[in-house]
This record gives sequence, structure tokens and C-alpha cells, in this order.
Amino acid sequence: AQSVTQLGSHVSVSEGALVLLRCNYSSSVPPYLFWYVQYPNQGLQLLLKYTTGATLVKGINGFEAEFKKSETSFHLTKPSAHMSDAAEYFCAVSERSGNTPLVFGKGTRLSVIA
Amino acid sequence: GAGVSQSPSNKVTEKGKDVELRCDPISGHTALYWYRQSLGQGLEFLIYFQGNSAPDKSGLPSDRFSAERTGGSVSTLTIQRTQQEDSAVYLCASSLDLPSFNEKLFFGSGTQLSVL
Repeated sequence: AQSVTQLGSHVSVSEGALVLLRCNYSSSVPPYLFWYVQYPNQGLQLLLKYTTGATLVKGINGFEAEFKKSETSFHLTKPSAHMSDAAEYFCAVSERSGNTPLVFGKGTRLSVIA
Repeated sequence: GAGVSQSPSNKVTEKGKDVELRCDPISGHTALYWYRQSLGQGLEFLIYFQGNSAPDKSGLPSDRFSAERTGGSVSTLTIQRTQQEDSAVYLCASSLDLPSFNEKLFFGSGTQLSVL
């Protein structure tokens, strides 16, 4: 069975500072990995995903994440936080083969301080 | 439609009543998912429909919860004899195909259910 652990339910950074949101996964088969974002009063939307190929993936709004198999991690980063990045971020995993739905983490709320 | 549509957007009910939540997926999407979002619990998978296959009901928390998908399109999530712990945002999502085929999920805005 797959699972996702997001370290830190709430992360606060200053505007312009590095954003680092941690995600570790557990999967018995090679995974597909996703980050979704939920802005205030909006639905969830895909930020980026890793399927195959390059382990460093770039998403919207300057975010990127790196798949590290040895660490079973898929941390989300952004070099410089903007006020508009304040949102809830969800890491998710699915099996590369098979018929399983996405399994989400509990989410990390990002606050950006001016 | 342009996106995944859910109705109602808000539902307040009394404990013990039954409720029905509706989801209209994006036209042509074969996969449909229901998730529940509770404070501090993230997104909890409930049920998943894929084409004509038998649904994956492994996430339903109790037999008070059921869902159906008619004609491969609209889905209804039914909660019988609601309890206060059922209060949450119920999210529906659809995708063209399986997550394993590199498809992303498109989420609706959710139904906020409050059980008094």
C-alpha cells in the first residue's frame, strides 16, 4: 500500500526566502508523484508531477521538486517566496502500474510573511 | 462542462438525516473520484470509478456511505444517518484516465457538509 508523509502541517517563511515543503512516500512499486496546491477559496490544482525521466521537475509559479529514490522523498522548493504562494500544498503518490487512485498527504499550509 | 461541478456548495443537515452530494465531471473523463477533506486530515480517499469497471470502494469509512455513477457521467455520494464526524468538505475529481497513465486530476470546488 502507498502512503505519503508531509513533515510540518504549517510552514511560515518570509517573503523572498526559500520555500521547502517536505514529502516522503512509501510505495512497493515505482511511483508517480504529484504536488497539488489549494489557494484560499479555490479548488485543488496540479502544481507539478514526476512520472519518468528527469528527476528534477519544474512546475507552475517557479516551484520545482526532485525525486530522490534513495531517500524516498519528493520535496517541493521555490527559491524566493511570494505573498501569492500562501496556500495549502498536498503531496500525492500513485502506483506506476495498476489501477489505484491517488493517495494524498495531510497537507502543509504555507504562510508568507511580508 | 468547463470544469468539475459539485452541488450543493454548502449543505447543513441534522444528525441522523440522509444527504446526497452530486458531482458532474468534465465531459469525456472516464475516471471519477470522491475525496473527503477534514481539518488536519488532508484528503481522504473515499471511492473511485473508472469506466465500466467495478468501483474501488476501499476508502468508504462505513456502510452509511455509498456512491453511484450513472451512465458513466454524473455521480452521487450518499451519506445515510449522518453523524457529526461526517462534517467535512467532500471533493469530487475527474480525469481522462488512470493516474498511472500520467493523467492529472481536475477537482471541483467541493461541498461543505455541516452536520448539526
